[in-house]
Amino acid sequence: AQSVSQHNHHVILSEAASLELGCNYSYGGTVNLFWYVQYPGQHLQLLLKYFSGDPLVKGIKGFEAEFIKSKFSFNLRKPSVQWSDTAEYFCAVNAHSGGATNKLIFGTGTLLAVQP
Amino acid sequence: KAGVTQTPRYLIKTRGQQVTLSCSPISGHRSVSWYQQTPGQGLQFLFEYFSETQRNKGNFPGRFSGRQFSNSRSEMNVSTLELGDSALYLCASSGGTSGGQETQYFGPGTRLLVL
Repeated sequence: AQSVSQHNHHVILSEAASLELGCNYSYGGTVNLFWYVQYPGQHLQLLLKYFSGDPLVKGIKGFEAEFIKSKFSFNLRKPSVQWSDTAEYFCAVNAHSGGATNKLIFGTGTLLAVQP
Repeated sequence: KAGVTQTPRYLIKTRGQQVTLSCSPISGHRSVSWYQQTPGQGLQFLFEYFSETQRNKGNFPGRFSGRQFSNSRSEMNVSTLELGDSALYLCASSGGTSGGQETQYFGPGTRLLVL
């Protein structure tokens, strides 16, 4: 069965520190990859996505992610975090096999706390 | 454009009852998906509807069902509620015509508590 792993469940950083959150998926076919963020008390919102092309994708608020097909990974990075980045981050995969489906498989989430 | 709206926002039910949750997608979106979010299991896909037809289904018992109307609004129903059904139920909408290459926009969710 398809699955998504986020190895960091809780991350605590100081402001200005660099961030890297790991995401690995298990599926050998074509995938579309997403990072969503959930700020305290807010909806899930899209941070960035990868469908095809340049494996380094840039998202909102200075976040970026790199798709490494050989490692089945889509790690999220930010060079310098801010207190306002405190949130829960979810990696998600759509293993659509060329079919028309919006079924997302989510990782368990990473809770990031940034200390001022 | 208005975002995805879900009603009600909070619900308290007792075991054995049934519940219906509603979702209005972003205007023009034809695909509506439902997810269950719990602390133990995380975010899990329930089902997706497109043009009033269920297009995909997750691994949930038959007590969980849904439907979509001609205006793309969707409802999900849970019958014979169990304590374990307590969760945040999220609805997401997207255009529906680009295969898996679509961004899904999430609503605020309905928090269901089963006593």
